[in-house]
Formats: sequence, C-alpha cells, structure tokens
Amino acid sequence: NAGVTQTPKFQVLKTGQSMTLQCAQDMNHEYMSWYRQDPGMGLRLIHYSVGAGITDQGEVPNGYNVSRSTTEDFPLRLLSAAPSQTSVYFCASSYSAGTSFMGYTFGSGTRLTVV
Amino acid sequence: DAKTTQPPSMDCAEGRAANLPCNHSTISGNEYVYWYRQIHSQGPQYIIHGLKNNETNEMASLIITEDRKSSTLILPHATLRDTAVYYCILALISNFGNEKLTFGTGTRLTIIP
Repeated sequence: NAGVTQTPKFQVLKTGQSMTLQCAQDMNHEYMSWYRQDPGMGLRLIHYSVGAGITDQGEVPNGYNVSRSTTEDFPLRLLSAAPSQTSVYFCASSYSAGTSFMGYTFGSGTRLTVV
Repeated sequence: DAKTTQPPSMDCAEGRAANLPCNHSTISGNEYVYWYRQIHSQGPQYIIHGLKNNETNEMASLIITEDRKSSTLILPHATLRDTAVYYCILALISNFGNEKLTFGTGTRLTIIP
C-alpha cells in the first residue's frame, strides 16, 4: 500500500494561474478531505468527500473546486491562484467500520507558493 | 465546533511518560475527542480518539474526565521520535460517518535526551 499520495510535492504559481493538486489513495477509503496549513497555524478544512460523486465544503472553500469521480482520486483545483493561497496542502482519507471511525491517514503535503 | 485549549509547549524526558492536557469545557454530548500529531512538516498522524470512556491503543492512552470537560493524552514511554506538535480536536461524526476536524495550534512536545 502506498497510502495517500500527493503530487506535486512543490509548486510555484504565478498569480492568476490555475492548477490541480492531485491526491490518490489505494486503501479503498470512502472519506477524503483537503486541508491547508499556513505557517504557525493548525490545519483548516477546504473540501471533503464521503464517497464517489459526493463532496461538500469545509471551513475555507473559496477559490477551490473539487470532484470525486472515483473512490481513489480526489483532486483539488485552484481556479485563479492568489498569493493568499500560498500554503501547504494536505490530503487525507479514512473509512468507518460499523460504528467505529478509523481516523484519517494524511499525505505528505504539497507546498504551494503563489507569486 | 467547540474549542479546545492546550499549553503551547511542553518538555518531557526520554523514557518518561508524557502527559498532554486538553481542556474542552464547552464540549457537547456527541462530540468526540481526537488526538493527532504532526512531526516536523509531515502530514498529521492519527493517534487515538474517544467519546466518554478511556481508550488505549499501541501508541497512547486517552483519559477523559467524567464530566468530559478535559482530557489527557498519555505517551507511556516517550522517545525522541515523539517530538512533535500534538493536536487535541473535537469533532462530530456526521450522518455520513466521517468527521470534520478543526485543528487548533496544538502543543509542541519536545522529548529531552
């Protein structure tokens, strides 16, 4: 198992450019989420998905789109990059077993700089 | 989401038990207490979670007070690899079965050789 794989690991964008951050998991997890972490702060939820075709907004969704066409993939799209979106982005996945929730497995992050 | 309060930093001697406190005085009845940690700049790592009862797994123990207004994460024999930022988080399990985490700034635990 590779776990949660995020690509790219580093990216520099110019203001106004668009791009897609990739996230893939090979654990057949139904739940996937995107978080961003700014310097010295905790993580903030951007979007999440509870299964293929089902997504919802988190705490800071503006400027980002997501879709979930397969169980494995949950890409995050930046529509028009802004310097305020400079951050480290983490993707996470998890599953539930009956009434027990197993906790999220996080990827290693994508470090994005918008200039 | 209800808020948690954690000390910004703590030290612990290697080999000793590390006890990390968390206050959550406004916790609601169906909110779970979760603990994650983040080592250096890696992705956070799930440690443990609980609702009312104390919990133990291979990594740690979680002690929740009877009134659920505070909890303590215990790492029984701390090693240098346990140096990390530890997050205490309250979250509801949604109708879909997932939880939405709201991270604070956590406790930076440093294990001293």
